[in-house]
Amino acid sequence: SQQGEEDPQALSIQEGENATMNCSYKTSINNLQWYRQNSGRGLVHLILIRSNEREKHSGRLRVTLDTSKKSSSLLITASRAADTASYFCATSRSYNTDKLIFGTGTRLQVFP
Amino acid sequence: KAGVTQTPRYLIKTRGQQVTLSCSPISGHRSVSWYQQTPGQGLQFLFEYFSETQRNKGNFPGRFSGRQFSNSRSEMNVSTLELGDSALYLCASSPGQGDGYTFGSGTRLTVV
Repeated sequence: SQQGEEDPQALSIQEGENATMNCSYKTSINNLQWYRQNSGRGLVHLILIRSNEREKHSGRLRVTLDTSKKSSSLLITASRAADTASYFCATSRSYNTDKLIFGTGTRLQVFP
Repeated sequence: KAGVTQTPRYLIKTRGQQVTLSCSPISGHRSVSWYQQTPGQGLQFLFEYFSETQRNKGNFPGRFSGRQFSNSRSEMNVSTLELGDSALYLCASSPGQGDGYTFGSGTRLTVV
């Protein structure tokens, strides 16, 4: 399967704690993106990191990319109950295609 | 600006029937791609259209087809429905250069 892998599959933490999710992929990429999905609804784009970038920040989100290991991590700092959702990484191989290969997802539960 | 609109939101069909789902992209976006999400297989790429041309296709049987109109709106059709086609179908629009994606809320198809 082309699908990427994410771990952990599920993560439960308390509000205020940090949450780290990892993503591994199989092929060379143009960029890697992280998405959030609430209860089987649409995907919300969180952050995009290009293959020539190593780290990116957006608010409480920090993404790292290691192309030599074909892996990425998403860190959510000071988590809130509203962060409870499933998180997916997705890779794009080229600038001239919109085909995304998604990871298996991490289900995050943040307890108040 | 208006988001990506998918219609209908929910659909119940009987095995053997056919179904058409619609996706209206963000104004100015020329690319629409479709994904199927199931608990067992996760998020799988179906196909993408750019300027009315199919640019890429996933590993789905020929019962799954799509098209894009001159106003960039897209439809996907599934013929001879099977129980396994029950899924959340998501479309995403983008300018067409491998980033800048926005997903719709999805159409939940149930085949009985």
